[in-house]
Amino acid sequence: GQSLEQPSEVTAVEGAIVQINCTYQTSGFYGLSWYQQHDGGAPTFLSYNALDGLEETGRFSSFLSRSDSYGYLLLQELQMKDSASYFCATDRGSTLGRLYFGRGTQLTVWP
Amino acid sequence: DAGITQSPRYKITETGRQVTLMCHQTWSHSYMFWYRQDLGHGLRLIYYSAAADITDKGEVPDGYVVSRSKTENFPLTLESATRSQTSVYFCASSGSLAGADNEQFFGPGTRLTVL
Repeated sequence: GQSLEQPSEVTAVEGAIVQINCTYQTSGFYGLSWYQQHDGGAPTFLSYNALDGLEETGRFSSFLSRSDSYGYLLLQELQMKDSASYFCATDRGSTLGRLYFGRGTQLTVWP
Repeated sequence: DAGITQSPRYKITETGRQVTLMCHQTWSHSYMFWYRQDLGHGLRLIYYSAAADITDKGEVPDGYVVSRSKTENFPLTLESATRSQTSVYFCASSGSLAGADNEQFFGPGTRLTVL
């Protein structure tokens, strides 16, 4: 089976840095994805890590440690528009492409 | 229009009725998915399809039926709607299952209420 744990809520102020952690238990793990979802909107892809280390895309970075079954999403220079839910998701080698999502972290950015 | 669309966007129905949610994508993506999203549960996979006429169950398939006669369409049918199927339904598509290309593109969602 598979399970993913991430905090339910995180708050921060504009300009700050926030890290959203995700721990997973899944057999045949292949990679870790992150998706962003604004209230009332559709999830949108942010990043994907198949290898250990940090992937940087603008203000957002994602990290994976396969040995620790752990990853995180790092958001820098927070803006009000970053207020959203963030989901980590894993896929498995045996069912490649089928994503298993965590329950999401609600990020609130205060002015 | 290019992209992935869902219809209807909102639907209210009664217990026991059959309901079909439509999903259409214009990218010719091979892979398509149906998810439901409920508070406290994140996104859960209902069914997915790897190509036309190829479908498979996800985590929560009971009470749902899918078909895929054409690559671009992937309708989801609730054969006899129940109140527990009140949810937001998202369709998604992907062009590949390999590495970063497994990015899934989500439709705008259908908010279904079963009374």
